[in-house]
Amino acid sequence: GQNIDQPTEMTATEGAIVQINCTYQTSGFNGLFWYQQHAGEAPTFLSYNVLDGLEEKGRFSSFLSRSKGYSYLLLKELQMKDSASYLCAVSRMNTGFQKLVFGTGTRLLVSP
Amino acid sequence: DVKVTQSSRYLVKRTGEKVFLECVQDMDHENMFWYRQDPGLGLRLIYFSYDVKMKEKGDIPEGYSVSREKKERFSLILESASTNQTSMYLCASSFAYNEQFFGPGTRLTVL
Repeated sequence: GQNIDQPTEMTATEGAIVQINCTYQTSGFNGLFWYQQHAGEAPTFLSYNVLDGLEEKGRFSSFLSRSKGYSYLLLKELQMKDSASYLCAVSRMNTGFQKLVFGTGTRLLVSP
Repeated sequence: DVKVTQSSRYLVKRTGEKVFLECVQDMDHENMFWYRQDPGLGLRLIYFSYDVKMKEKGDIPEGYSVSREKKERFSLILESASTNQTSMYLCASSFAYNEQFFGPGTRLTVL
């Protein structure tokens, strides 16, 4: 089976840095995605890690450790518009097909 | 830009009705997916398709069926809607093993 854990809610202040953690247990691991979802909107792609290490993309970075089953999303210089849910999704290969398994999401509230 | 559209943003149906949710993507993606999203449960995969006329069950296929007659269109069918199918339904598409692009979602209420 698979199990993905991420905190339910986090709060931070504008201009600060926040780290959202995601731990997973799964078979057939084929990479990890992070998505952002504003309330009432569709999820949008942020990052993809398939190898260990840090991937940086502007204010957002994502880290993966496959041996530890651990990832984090790092958001720097927080802005009010970063208030959203952040979804961790593990990509699994199963019977030749790729499937995404999502965590329940972390709701981030950025305050002035 | 990839565009994934869904036929309705909001839908209200009665128990026992047959419900069709349609999804269209314009980027020639071979993969298409249907999810439902519920508070505290996250996104759960209902069905997916890797080619025309091809379908695979996801994690929660019970009570649903799908149809993919054309590459750009993937339909989700609730044969006999029940109240526990009240949810937000999200369609997505992708190319190969790349990121999935999501539609705006259909919030379905079954009374």
